[in-house]
Amino acid sequence: GAGVSQSPRYKVAKRGQDVALRCDPISGHVSLFWYQQALGQGPEFLTYFQNEAQLDKSGLPSDRFFAERPEGSVSTLKIQRTQQEDSAVYLCASSLGVRTGEKLFFGSGTQLSVL
Amino acid sequence: AQSVTQLDSQVPVFEEAPVELRCNYSSSVSVYLFWYVQYPNQGLQLLLKYLSGSTLVKGINGFEAEFNKSQTSFHLRKPSVHISDTAEYFCAVSERQGAQKLVFGQGTRLTINP
Repeated sequence: GAGVSQSPRYKVAKRGQDVALRCDPISGHVSLFWYQQALGQGPEFLTYFQNEAQLDKSGLPSDRFFAERPEGSVSTLKIQRTQQEDSAVYLCASSLGVRTGEKLFFGSGTQLSVL
Repeated sequence: AQSVTQLDSQVPVFEEAPVELRCNYSSSVSVYLFWYVQYPNQGLQLLLKYLSGSTLVKGINGFEAEFNKSQTSFHLRKPSVHISDTAEYFCAVSERQGAQKLVFGQGTRLTINP
């Protein structure tokens, strides 16, 4: 596709609900990242995939957060039993290769509001 | 571990005036440096990056940044801003060796007044 696509654009969840956020990276991009951006803050790293392999999940805040990329393209970030502190914009980014210093292409994000 | 500090959360300037957005970083290893811009309702876009070579880096839309190793800074500048430059600007670092992930600052909101 032309860019990184994320869906839904907005998601409202009641506390305790499970949510799934989708990311379609640019076709052929090997690396995929998830970031969490709280209101008024910079993005914070959650997890990293190289193709289908999840190589770094050090930023996931709790075991309620789970991400997958089973075929090395589309990725899903799942949050179980959502809490109010999970309210944030979730950003997905991809890059063509795996070298540090490469340009990341970001999606517009999914804004999650937990009531 | 790395950290990034953007010293100003908001910077208001008049159109056609110069602007400088400040960024300082801390790291125990060598890093690459980036500036990303986030326009309203859009994803972050890369403005420029410093990997090696000349410490003065030129990016898109007339922006430039200078890497100062001794001061651990990477300030962003533009000699004359336009209304369309209104956006949130993020400074970021990544390790030269190892993890590709970015560590971002908290952002600076640039507001251009006519």
